Amino acid sequence: DAGITQSPRHKVTETGTPVTLRCHQTENHRYMYWYRQDPGHGLRLIHYSYGVKDTDKGEVSDGYSVSRSKTEDFLLTLESATSSQTSVYFCAISERQREFHEQYFGPGTRLTVT
Amino acid sequence: QKEVEQNSGPLSVPEGAIASLNCTYSDRVSQSFFWYRQYSGKSPELIMSIYSNGDKEDGRFTAQLNKASQYVSLLIRDSQPSDSATYLCAVFLGTASKLTFGTGTRLQVTL
Repeated sequence: DAGITQSPRHKVTETGTPVTLRCHQTENHRYMYWYRQDPGHGLRLIHYSYGVKDTDKGEVSDGYSVSRSKTEDFLLTLESATSSQTSVYFCAISERQREFHEQYFGPGTRLTVT
Repeated sequence: QKEVEQNSGPLSVPEGAIASLNCTYSDRVSQSFFWYRQYSGKSPELIMSIYSNGDKEDGRFTAQLNKASQYVSLLIRDSQPSDSATYLCAVFLGTASKLTFGTGTRLQVTL
């Protein structure tokens, strides 16, 4: 998994509770991404980061926030979890920018919101 | 029209045969194309990237790109049961400046 870890790997939480997922990389890549994967929708970008403290929204960012205080760590927070956020969450990293950036994925976190 | 389209499958091929996976995209201003393999319950794994028209070969895998027709394909020669997985096509859409994934084609290689 290209030196990428995600924690936790599995989590069950209740509606309305805050949840934070962590992505940690040892590759020193500048770009980091959070995706969610759901049946019939494929992978959809939630947020991404292009440097420490530099982040931007993806296509499904509502209800999510991110932070990146160090190159190696990218956190995804669900402010108040809802059942629609039950999904598999993947972190990805890339070294280069824009169209030539090959993305490498972490092992994923399976989140269930009850 | 979806930005990146793939047939969901399953595509079933016998062991030893060639598997052909196809992907079409809507944005003419797209410059980079990727194929990922995803086993059930696992994360996507990058197996091929292609940036220019034509063929690119890597072992048993060949990626083919035709920008004029807006399609990219992946050929797997001598298919093995271990190739059974979902294959995701990803396209960097130039106009939107974003990497967009298709929903994947499930490949089954039968004995």
